[in-house]
Amino acid sequence: GENVEQHPSTLSVQEGDSAVIKCTYSDSASNYFPWYKQELGKRPQLIIDIRSNVGEKKDQRIAVTLNKTAKHFSLHITETQPEDSAVYFCAATQPPSGGGADGLTFGKGTHLIIQP
Amino acid sequence: DSGVTQTPKHLITATGQRVTLRCSPRSGDLSVYWYQQSLDQGLQFLIQYYNGEERAKGNILERFSAQQFPDLHSELNLSSLELGDSALYFCASSYSGGPYEQYFGPGTRLTVT
Repeated sequence: GENVEQHPSTLSVQEGDSAVIKCTYSDSASNYFPWYKQELGKRPQLIIDIRSNVGEKKDQRIAVTLNKTAKHFSLHITETQPEDSAVYFCAATQPPSGGGADGLTFGKGTHLIIQP
Repeated sequence: DSGVTQTPKHLITATGQRVTLRCSPRSGDLSVYWYQQSLDQGLQFLIQYYNGEERAKGNILERFSAQQFPDLHSELNLSSLELGDSALYFCASSYSGGPYEQYFGPGTRLTVT
């Protein structure tokens, strides 16, 4: 099955600086890569996603890049703000194949700390 | 608010017992996914239902089962509970069974004592 590795596990940046979180996946059949933000005790919230036919996607201060050849994708947050502090999860999933799974395989998470 | 609802919010029960968690997907969504989140295992996919039928299984134990009803709400049944089953259980929904955006509910925190 799919395996997703996520680094770093903790990232501390100064407010206003950029943050980058990286993930690698193992199954070349994976074609959908979402990123979720989870605040303490809350639900994972989808913040951005990318499909395998796209190399980069931006939404205001957030961007995601995908390198299919290397099987890695990254989350970039610019001009970080205190409210960006949370745990961020990357995930991957494959296209259905008969009864194939559409469930997401998650990385272990990155605790992003924005220092004032 | 994602539009996905889950009940109950918290559940405390004893080892060996059985519990049922309930999830209502967003209006119009046909797929429901169940996930377990624990400190040691992280977020793990358990099972997916699409329009009433089981679509895919992940790391779901045999003691756990689920179903999706004609009104598309879903229930996750956990039996013969063990201390290690203590976790946050999330359901998520999406429009289709394909790789579409999944929106998570608020979760049910299960504590087994």
